[in-house]
Amino acid sequence: DAGITQSPRHKVTETGTPVTLRCHQTENHRYMYWYRQDPGHGLRLIHYSYGVKDTDKGEVSDGYSVSRSKTEDFLLTLESATSSQTSVYFCAISEEPGGEKLFFGSGTQLSVL
Amino acid sequence: SQQGEEDPQALSIQEGENATMNCSYKTSINNLQWYRQNSGRGLVHLILIRSNEREKHSGRLRVTLDTSKKSSSLLITASRAADTASYFCATDEDDYKLSFGAGTTVTVRA
Repeated sequence: DAGITQSPRHKVTETGTPVTLRCHQTENHRYMYWYRQDPGHGLRLIHYSYGVKDTDKGEVSDGYSVSRSKTEDFLLTLESATSSQTSVYFCAISEEPGGEKLFFGSGTQLSVL
Repeated sequence: SQQGEEDPQALSIQEGENATMNCSYKTSINNLQWYRQNSGRGLVHLILIRSNEREKHSGRLRVTLDTSKKSSSLLITASRAADTASYFCATDEDDYKLSFGAGTTVTVRA
């Protein structure tokens, strides 16, 4: 998957606990994205990064925060997980702005009970 | 908000037949992309067509874009079992954001 590793691949957690998902890339791409995928909704953008320490919100950012302290790592944190955040989370990277030719990781299946 | 919407939601065809799916979008775009997702995997980029292009080919894939109708179509010719997947169109909302539709699920029967 184009040098993108997401961890963990699966996680089950309880409501109210903090959760951090990690995306690690070896491609040195500038742009990184976090999406969530839910049935009937396709992929929705949570947060994205256009450089180290440069991040911005997507359309479904409430309840999520991100950090990017190094080019290769983009972390997604659920401060206090809720059942509505049960989803499959995908990290993607791109060399070009505008999301041209995204390369996706294999996803993290998160279940919040 | 979802920029692109695929039609149909699901498609079942016989191996060797062609599969056509459509994407409609709402606002002006710089480019439109198609992605494939196999079950349990991440999305894979298939093809990008820019707003000043009308048609593009890549192997057995043919993409058209009609900016006046705000629509695109993806044609897969001579389908194979390996083409069974979900297909998504994606449009650029602004400099950094890509908006995906809900996808078309294609099943190719042997």
